Amino acid sequence: SQELEQSPQSLIVQEGKNLTINCTSSKTLYGLYWYKQKYGEGLIFLMMLQKGGEEKSHEKITAKLDEKKQQSSLHITASQPSHAGIYLCGADQSGNTPLVFGKGTRLSVIA
Amino acid sequence: SQTIHQWPATLVQPVGSPLSLECTVEGTSNPNLYWYRQAAGRGLQLLFYSVGIGQISSEVPQNLSASRPQDRQFILSSKKLLLSDSGFYLCAWSVGGGVGTQYFGPGTRLLVL
Repeated sequence: SQELEQSPQSLIVQEGKNLTINCTSSKTLYGLYWYKQKYGEGLIFLMMLQKGGEEKSHEKITAKLDEKKQQSSLHITASQPSHAGIYLCGADQSGNTPLVFGKGTRLSVIA
Repeated sequence: SQTIHQWPATLVQPVGSPLSLECTVEGTSNPNLYWYRQAAGRGLQLLFYSVGIGQISSEVPQNLSASRPQDRQFILSSKKLLLSDSGFYLCAWSVGGGVGTQYFGPGTRLLVL
């Protein structure tokens, strides 16, 4: 089955700094999904990438999928306390099966 | 718009007791439904998914079971809880006919003592 590795596992950044979270797959990704989770809550969908080289942005968050469709990065510009939480990547293995997820990256933003 | 509900929000149960967690979706028809468990350090683990009423696929052999008695209702059950069943249980839905984006409920935190 497909495995997703996220790095780093945790990250502490100063408010206003930029940061990047990576998600690497052992297999080609048919679709890559980014979610955010606050402690004790459900996952909030951020964005989905499907095509090699695709890039999407939502407010100050940008996600990219590499050309080989095996790695995605999530970049946050000028981080704010509201960006704190756990970021998870999920992958569509074949287009018709449930998503599998990485273990998540815990982001803390300090003033 | 679509809404997904889970209850209870929090549950504390003794070992060996039964379990029933409920998930309902509003605003869509014939959704795919999913149960995941999130345990510390282990990420999000898919437990069951359903593409229609009475159709359940189990991903992990364990003492849990799932049922879908109605189109937009998904129930997670156990006859006898184990300590290892503790965790955060998340229900999700996606548009039927494929997988696509999965949308998650608020979750149920289960503590088995």
